[in-house]
Amino acid sequence: GQQVMQIPQYQHVQEGEDFTTYCNSSTTLSNIQWYKQRPGGHPVFLIQLVKSGEVKKQKRLTFQFGEAKKNSSLHITATQTTDVGTYFCAGPGAGGTSYGKLTFGQGTILTVHP
Amino acid sequence: GAVVSQHPSRVICKSGTSVKIECRSLDFQATTMFWYRQFPKQSLMLMATSNEGSKATYEQGVEKDKFLINHASLTLSTLTVTSAHPEDSSFYICSASRTDNEQFFGPGTRLTVL
Repeated sequence: GQQVMQIPQYQHVQEGEDFTTYCNSSTTLSNIQWYKQRPGGHPVFLIQLVKSGEVKKQKRLTFQFGEAKKNSSLHITATQTTDVGTYFCAGPGAGGTSYGKLTFGQGTILTVHP
Repeated sequence: GAVVSQHPSRVICKSGTSVKIECRSLDFQATTMFWYRQFPKQSLMLMATSNEGSKATYEQGVEKDKFLINHASLTLSTLTVTSAHPEDSSFYICSASRTDNEQFFGPGTRLTVL
């Protein structure tokens, strides 16, 4: 079935350092979404990328969708302690026609040391 | 943004008992809801897609007789873990989507089976 691979699994940074997490799919994705889950919380939607080569920014977060629409990245500039959490990418679920079905990557757990 | 609630937030039960978890979309109608399971420091694994007025669609490897899903209205889906065992202990999260742009997640239910 369709898989979305995400690396790294863990990332420890000092506050102020940059952070990047990468997502790769074996198949072309019609879109990719990114979610953030704070410790003890639930996933919260960050953004959706649809177009080949698309780049979107949200303050210190930069999201990219590869030209082949098989990979994506999330980059955080100058991390802050509030960035702590797990970042997931998610692609459309394989099979079926379920509206909004997603396949999540493994997630990257970000720890920011003050 | 849309709000999805889940009840209860935490439940502890004895082995062999059944537990019902409710997922409600509070300010929109959701014809489709999704149930996920998440183990500590792991990704979200889709268990099933809940369709209003019809049978749920289960992912491969998920026992439909053990995880009963009912989507009786456009705002309510329930997941019943029948004859729960310690290995069923997990974080169960529901989500609903209004469009194919993003999913709104409930706060999750932490189930502990003794």
